[in-house]
Amino acid sequence: GEDVEQSLFLSVREGDSSVINCTYTDSSSTYLYWYKQEPGAGLQLLTYIFSNMDMKQDQRLTVLLNKKDKHLSLRIADTQTGDSAIYFCADSYSGAGSYQLTFGKGTKLSVIP
Amino acid sequence: EPEVTQTPSHQVTQMGQEVILRCVPISNHLYFYWYRQILGQKVEFLVSFYNNEISEKSEIFDDQFSVERPDGSNFTLKIRSTKLEDSAMYFCASGGGGGNQPQHFGDGTRLSIL
Repeated sequence: GEDVEQSLFLSVREGDSSVINCTYTDSSSTYLYWYKQEPGAGLQLLTYIFSNMDMKQDQRLTVLLNKKDKHLSLRIADTQTGDSAIYFCADSYSGAGSYQLTFGKGTKLSVIP
Repeated sequence: EPEVTQTPSHQVTQMGQEVILRCVPISNHLYFYWYRQILGQKVEFLVSFYNNEISEKSEIFDDQFSVERPDGSNFTLKIRSTKLEDSAMYFCASGGGGGNQPQHFGDGTRLSIL
């Protein structure tokens, strides 16, 4: 079955850029997503990208997609302490039309003041 | 902004009992989902629901589980004969349909089986 892999931890200084990486195996993925989870909270949709795009920018967030290598990254510019959270990469698999998501284990981002 | 709401936020139940987790999806969404996250593990897909029936389910979603949309707004997950290993965070999500209408998640129900 499909798999999504992420590094587990990332630590950056406040004001620096953060880059969170993700790889996936399903070549039929059509959309790829980034969700943010703060402690004790649910999954907040941050951004998503269609598989025929290479890049998407949304304010401080930049998503890069290398479809050939099945590699997705999320760059957070000017990282703030409020960005400390777990970031999940997910791909969308359309089976029977339901678009279920396959998640990575999540990358815990720690921002050092 | 519309959101998915889940109740209760925390449910504690004795092993062997039945639990019902409740969700109110975003009102104009067509697809409804349940996922679970065992502590320290990945978020895992359980089931998707469309047009008043299950459209897809994972291997986890066995006969112990069932879903229902009893009225126009609620979407429930029932777990019968709960086991210790059912302890997890359960997330409800809804989507408009199509990959370009992403799934929005509720804050989850933390289920603790004693």
